[in-house]
Amino acid sequence: NAGVTQTPKFRILKIGQSMTLQCAQDMNHNYMYWYRQDPGMGLKLIYYSVGAGITDKGEVPNGYNVSRSTTEYFPLRLELAAPSQTSVYFCASSATLGGPSGYTFGSGTRLTVV
Amino acid sequence: GQQVMQIPQYQHVQEGEDFTTYCNSSTTLSNIQWYKQRPGGHPVFLIQLVKSGEVKKQKRLTFQFGEAKKNSSLHITATQTTDVGTYFCAGDNQGGKLIFGQGTELSVKP
Repeated sequence: NAGVTQTPKFRILKIGQSMTLQCAQDMNHNYMYWYRQDPGMGLKLIYYSVGAGITDKGEVPNGYNVSRSTTEYFPLRLELAAPSQTSVYFCASSATLGGPSGYTFGSGTRLTVV
Repeated sequence: GQQVMQIPQYQHVQEGEDFTTYCNSSTTLSNIQWYKQRPGGHPVFLIQLVKSGEVKKQKRLTFQFGEAKKNSSLHITATQTTDVGTYFCAGDNQGGKLIFGQGTELSVKP
């Protein structure tokens, strides 16, 4: 099993550019999440989804958009990139909401906005 | 909103010494989870605690959930160099979404 796959692994964007961070899972998990990680700040929830067609905002949604057309894919869209969006982005999935098996994380996308 | 605080932020130990990280939530939690992130890696799920006062062990790691379900701790006995990384607690306040603490970065000197 591949688990959660994120692409790209690294990306440098110029201010004002847009991009989509890809996330795919092959575990048939209903629940998927996007977190960003800044040094010393832990992980902050950007958006999450409880199933195909259903998404909701997390703690820090501004500047981002998501869609969930299928169970497998949960892309994160950055519009008009800003230096404050320089971070490591992690996608995660879980079988249940708050369930005993925890979240499975992807390997992350390291994004730099210059 | 809900906050999860974790201390210390950094801990440097000599190999063989013990290590403890503490986690406190501003609200009562339905469960708490612990994750380990190796340098340059991604968080990996370690364990979930659900019951008030629960204690679970994984080899040299001992996890505790407080009686009020607002705090938790992770204790590592006799650290090894393979324990290096950042340990995160993450609280679930029944909304199903995890709120992560800032993490404790552990370094182990051989």
